[in-house]
Amino acid sequence: QKEVEQNSGPLSVPEGAIASLNCTYSDRVSQSFFWYRQYSGKSPELIMSIYSNGDKEDGRFTAQLNKASQYVSLLIRDSQPSDSATYLCAVFSGGYNKLIFGAGTRLAVHP
Amino acid sequence: NAGVTQTPKFRILKIGQSMTLQCTQDMNHNYMYWYRQDPGMGLKLIYYSVGAGITDKGEVPNGYNVSRSTTEDFPLRLELAAPSQTSVYFCASSDADNNQPQHFGDGTRLSIL
Repeated sequence: QKEVEQNSGPLSVPEGAIASLNCTYSDRVSQSFFWYRQYSGKSPELIMSIYSNGDKEDGRFTAQLNKASQYVSLLIRDSQPSDSATYLCAVFSGGYNKLIFGAGTRLAVHP
Repeated sequence: NAGVTQTPKFRILKIGQSMTLQCTQDMNHNYMYWYRQDPGMGLKLIYYSVGAGITDKGEVPNGYNVSRSTTEDFPLRLELAAPSQTSVYFCASSDADNNQPQHFGDGTRLSIL
């Protein structure tokens, strides 16, 4: 099992819809969870951090964390074509003492 | 606010050549990292540093070297370039400890021919 796993996609959603991106991780003692957005040819950009169970909202973005089930998700409401990018899930693994990135999910928002 | 600055942005090397990828940050972050990202793949950690004078290997350190003489700078050295090192290289930094989010530079696109 990969340490941080994401569906590679592409996830295709119509403009205005909710995009749901999922991530599972293997290290039960993971403490911190991050979502990065990466446009093609650009560097990863931090969009959300979440540290405790539950939901965290920031504008159109909501991060959801469930440590018991070892998954973290990102919801994007009112998706826009400008949201089309690869979304990287990153988990700080206490067991490995480092930040581990998933391979990313490619999101395509079509008009 | 510059953040993390990487130079050069693009470079083409011949097999066997050497070069140094520069990375500097102005956020006074203790932790700095070097990643490589191959097309369609995730980020792989090459080396990291928890402070000036301290470096450690990541997941894929072979063929690379680093140094950290100051808090601001964390250069990555390729001694004998090989085609397998063709990739995009990202430098990142984080505050205080590994538990904080990392902030990335714009990357260096390196081709070895």
